[in-house]
Amino acid sequence: DAKTTQPTSMDCAEGRAANLPCNHSTISGNEYVYWYRQIHSQGPQYIIHGLKNNETNEMASLIITEDRKSSTLILPHATLRDTAVYYCIVRAGGATNKLIFGTGTLLAVQP
Amino acid sequence: DTAVSQTPKYLVTQMGNDKSIKCEQNLGHDTMYWYKQDSKKFLKIMFSYNNKELIINETVPNRFSPKSPDKAHLNLHINSLELGDSAVYFCASSRQGRTTNEKLFFGSGTQLSVL
Repeated sequence: DAKTTQPTSMDCAEGRAANLPCNHSTISGNEYVYWYRQIHSQGPQYIIHGLKNNETNEMASLIITEDRKSSTLILPHATLRDTAVYYCIVRAGGATNKLIFGTGTLLAVQP
Repeated sequence: DTAVSQTPKYLVTQMGNDKSIKCEQNLGHDTMYWYKQDSKKFLKIMFSYNNKELIINETVPNRFSPKSPDKAHLNLHINSLELGDSAVYFCASSRQGRTTNEKLFFGSGTQLSVL
């Protein structure tokens, strides 16, 4: 079973920042937080991952709370092409890459 | 060039038939995976191979048999297809699957419809 809880859906205005929350209150010390997204009719796409520190790459920023029980994915300037289901996943480091996907958040970017 | 490619993109077949889905990756990755996405959109891992060795085998009916002729290919053969096998099947790859946190690259999926 997925170890994360995400809102079912969210809306965001085009050009604004999209902040997608994720709760993972039972996360273990060696588990990473991963974010993937799935645009309609495509395969999932890796976005970002982190362990303790905040992370940023060309796609997004990941903010992890100090107690690591929750995190937020930030898309700084959402575009219509960012409309997708966003999955927050926790996964132990050192294990096989057994990503367990939950139900995700459907982000709808509005024009 | 497509990094992870699957064929066919669509597969429509009758119950009881045997079919195969092919997957190839040109990323030089060591590990490949098969995921199934059902009608409720849940994505579940089925199998994983690392350098042609099976490393993940979830509770999947033995009608499903993965085959990895080399580390760039992981095919999925399904015997005696059933209605419940209808789903989208995704192939994925990563650099290493055992001890690292490598990100997965997914193919675009194969929509299987069993009539």
